[in-house]
Amino acid sequence: EAQVTQNPRYLITVTGKKLTVTCSQNMNHEYMSWYRQDPGLGLRQIYYSMNVEVTDKGDVPEGYKVSRKEKRNFPLILESPSPNQTSLYFCASKANTEAFFGQGTRLTVV
Amino acid sequence: GIQVEQSPPDLILQEGANSTLRCNFSDSVNNLQWFHQNPWGQLINLFYIPSGTKQNGRLSATTVATERYSLLYISSSQTTDSGVYFCAVGTLWGTYKYIFGTGTRLKVLA
Repeated sequence: EAQVTQNPRYLITVTGKKLTVTCSQNMNHEYMSWYRQDPGLGLRQIYYSMNVEVTDKGDVPEGYKVSRKEKRNFPLILESPSPNQTSLYFCASKANTEAFFGQGTRLTVV
Repeated sequence: GIQVEQSPPDLILQEGANSTLRCNFSDSVNNLQWFHQNPWGQLINLFYIPSGTKQNGRLSATTVATERYSLLYISSSQTTDSGVYFCAVGTLWGTYKYIFGTGTRLKVLA
């Protein structure tokens, strides 16, 4: 079954404590990306990766890092989370046709 | 950049009713998907439909790419259809990024 798996699903953390949200896909897709969803602002792209070791900024990259050491994994790293990064995060992977989204990670930074 | 508008923004239906959701986009696209975001926040793939017509059970979708719009039809609605419906498009010149519409919030009453 085609799947994009994110972990954790829910996370509450404190300001400044580094965290990583993992994302893994089983479809051998080259393209992966991260989005955040906020009320009134919709879904916006944070970072994307066209292939292993190839990453680039999306529309709202400030405060985030990513890495793509393997094709299947694309973790999102928050080095020093702040309350304005409280959001619902989605990882996605895509080939030439449809995109597949993970289940979402609801992050709260207090 | 490309603009994606969805209408209506909100819709309340009685169970069993039919509805049509619309997505207008401002430029040529080579990818278009419809998603359902359920009350738990998960994005569920409904259709990948950059052009033409598709049907899946009670749902169907039509995209007229030359006129830059797509329609999602829901027939015999059920309470489980409640949630937010998003249209997302990708452009010929983009980096596989999806631009999401603002969504249609649907509530189906029993």
